[in-house]
Amino acid sequence: GAGVSQTPSNKVTEKGKYVELRCDPISGHTALYWYRQSLGQGPEFLIYFQGTGAADDSGLPNDRFFAVRPEGSVSTLKIQRTERGDSAVYLCASSLNGGGSSTDTQYFGPGTRLTVL
Amino acid sequence: DQQVKQNSPSLSVQEGRISILNCDYTNSMFDYFLWYKKYPAEGPTFLISISSIKDKNEDGRFTVFLNKSAKHLSLHIVPSQPGDSAVYFCAASAGNTPLVFGKGTRLSVIA
Repeated sequence: GAGVSQTPSNKVTEKGKYVELRCDPISGHTALYWYRQSLGQGPEFLIYFQGTGAADDSGLPNDRFFAVRPEGSVSTLKIQRTERGDSAVYLCASSLNGGGSSTDTQYFGPGTRLTVL
Repeated sequence: DQQVKQNSPSLSVQEGRISILNCDYTNSMFDYFLWYKKYPAEGPTFLISISSIKDKNEDGRFTVFLNKSAKHLSLHIVPSQPGDSAVYFCAASAGNTPLVFGKGTRLSVIA
């Protein structure tokens, strides 16, 4: 079956602009996660959705970052007034049950590489 | 403060030999540990996991060992194959908290 897909695969923008990154989870997965991976680092947790609601947004670095999942499937990560330090690969993952269960395997998409000039 | 540390950025192993990737953690509340493998331009892929109630979990060529007293886990791959060349991430969680990843170790298996 289809895995997690993310669009666009690459996004180049200028400092101060607004960007939206999209994630299509595996069909039927109720949990969706966003991570950010900077160069030379591992993925860092940003936000977790259970269904339509954000169950844990403790990883969002500041209020320029926002994510939605209005129908409990596709999610969009939105970044306002982008800064050069936002440049990273943004990864999305989904899991079947979520509930915050660490034993519920997360399946990752290929990521969106964001470059802020 | 890094809670999950992979102190070797890279490792080179000959095909057929054992690869040992190490991971240390500082948070004694962590109770579930995972290894992910990542190829270039792809997302991380789940490889193997272990609960803190165990000290070993095996899946084919892959075995994860957990030493709770030392707060250390390791991934053994034997025999190593060229297709195993990738970046390996160690991750951990405490109960229902988000996964915390290490920085990764790049494994190169030389034919």
